[in-house]
Order: sequence, then C-alpha cells, then structure tokens
Amino acid sequence: SQTIHQWPATLVQPVGSPLSLECTVEGTSNPNLYWYRQAAGRGLQLLFYSVGIGQISSEVPQNLSASRPQDRQFILSSKKLLLSDSGFYLCAWSENSGNQPQHFGDGTRLSIL
Amino acid sequence: RKEVEQDPGPFNVPEGATVAFNCTYSNSASQSFFWYRQDCRKEPKLLMSVYSSGNEDGRFTAQLNRASQYISLLIRDSKLSDSATYLCAVNRGSARQLTFGSGTQLTVLP
Repeated sequence: SQTIHQWPATLVQPVGSPLSLECTVEGTSNPNLYWYRQAAGRGLQLLFYSVGIGQISSEVPQNLSASRPQDRQFILSSKKLLLSDSGFYLCAWSENSGNQPQHFGDGTRLSIL
Repeated sequence: RKEVEQDPGPFNVPEGATVAFNCTYSNSASQSFFWYRQDCRKEPKLLMSVYSSGNEDGRFTAQLNRASQYISLLIRDSKLSDSATYLCAVNRGSARQLTFGSGTQLTVLP
C-alpha cells in the first residue's frame, strides 16, 4: 500500500531563516505531488504541484519554492522566512491517471517568530 | 464567485440526528468530486469519492447534481466521533489539481 511521510511535524523558526520541508511517498511510481498551506481557521491553499521529476508548477507568487529531485520526493524551501509564512503545511500525492483523490501527509506546523 | 463554496457552519446537532452539507462549484467542466474529513490540527483524510450515480458508505451518502453544480454529503445517525470539519474538493486542470472548499464544521452533541 502507498504511504506518505512528511517531516518535521512541528517547526519554530526565526524570521529571515531558511526552510526545508521534505515529503516522500512509498508504494507508487510517478505520482502527482502537491504542497498546500492552511492558515489557522482557513481553507487549503495549493502552493505547488509536480507531475514529474524536475517539473514544478507554482500556483501563487510567494516567498517559497519547491523541488522534486527524485520521483517520490518533494521538497518545500525558502531562503528567508517571513512572519506570513506561518501555517500548517501539507504534502499530498495522487495517482497520475484517472479521477483519483489526493492523500495527505501528517503535515508540518510552522511557526515563525 | 469562489470556485468551491461551502457553508462554514458550525452545525451543532444531537447524537442520532441526520445532517446534510452542500458544496457548490463553479467550473462546469469538473469531473472529480470528493469529501474529506479534517480533525482539529490534523491532515484532511479522504472520506469518500462522489460519483455521478451517488454513493453510500455506511451512514454516509454522497450525491452529485451536475445541473445545479453542487455535491452533497448526508450523515445519518450522527455519532460524537463524527465531529470534525468536512471539506469538499473538486478537480480542475490536467494535473489533477483539486480546489478545496473552506470546510463545514460539525459538532455532534451528547
């Protein structure tokens, strides 16, 4: 069966520091991968998605970037964090064919001080 | 108009009640529809897919109305453990992107 791992679970970072969140998927090949952010009490905002290695699409302009160095690895990064980057970051995957749902990792709760 | 809209609630219902949520979507070309459940400070978890013919899973029934562009979720015989936020999701684009509603909060009271 497929599993998705996301870490760390919580992170506290000072303003201006770099960020790297990692997500890996097991049990499937060539999945679609997604990064979302959910602000407190708000809906899910799609940040990036990827349909293959090295292929990244950005949904909204922002202080973040994403990379997919391997088929089942998706990384969310920032060079300098802003206070507004605080939130709950979720990685998700889906099969790349058919009308398939997305499945989420446990999420990373990021607090910027 | 938002791509996907839900009544945020909260819905406070007694145990055993039947409760229904609707979710409207604006893109008539959407093909995939899902309901997710999200517990407080947790990730969304897939509750069920929504098929054109409607589908049922135990106490949960999901339906799609393409003409009026909405999906619905019916929960019968509500349990305390059903308390959560329910998110609808509608696909868009070729990469299976989903647009999520902001969620409807349900609290089942003893």
